[in-house]
Amino acid sequence: QVQLQESGPGLVKPSETLSLTCAVSAYSISSDYYWGWIRQPPGKGLEWVGSAHHSGNTYFNPSLKSRVTISMDTSQNQFALNLISVTAADTAVYYCARLSVPAGAFLDYWGQGTLVTVSS
Amino acid sequence: EGVMTQSPATLSVSPGERATLSCRATQNVGSNLAWYQQKPGQAPRLLIYGASTRATGIPARFSGSGSGTEFTLTISGLQSEDFAVYYCQQYNNWLTLTFGGGTKVEIK
Repeated sequence: QVQLQESGPGLVKPSETLSLTCAVSAYSISSDYYWGWIRQPPGKGLEWVGSAHHSGNTYFNPSLKSRVTISMDTSQNQFALNLISVTAADTAVYYCARLSVPAGAFLDYWGQGTLVTVSS
Repeated sequence: EGVMTQSPATLSVSPGERATLSCRATQNVGSNLAWYQQKPGQAPRLLIYGASTRATGIPARFSGSGSGTEFTLTISGLQSEDFAVYYCQQYNNWLTLTFGGGTKVEIK
């Protein structure tokens, strides 16, 4: 059973960088699947942040593209999200997930999520 | 990038009854449509992909239909554990994923 676990600071100051890691177990991120981040502001719906492949291919939500990077660490079987210049609008629960590509970019395994609050 | 619109925002249903949820796309997404269930404090769970294929372990009372721009999730014989928020997601342009705003299924 594929398992994903997010980790990182729960509080980030405005204008600073939000950094999260997703550790994957029972499956190699070096496979043909893509891996991604999705966020959910408190009380609101889901928003795709971005997706990445171990080959280096990355795709980002156009509204966040200028501020986000996703990197893959195959040696540790984990991937990371960096979001720069955060504001209160970036406060959300952040989920990591597996995209079931090539079958389709639906999200078949999810982490439990981690709340990140942007506040001074 | 297309927009996904779900209706209604809230659906009140009695246990044992049928719930019908709608998801509409502004662009043709073929059958590249997934449905997720989310309960409070939990991560979303994949229910349906390919518009109509149930994910592993999903009960047969969940069914999906539609193609192009109009999709439906039907839950037959609602059980207590089915009261949750449901999201659709298009992946026709899988370089840019978009979710609907969600439908909350509540107990009538």
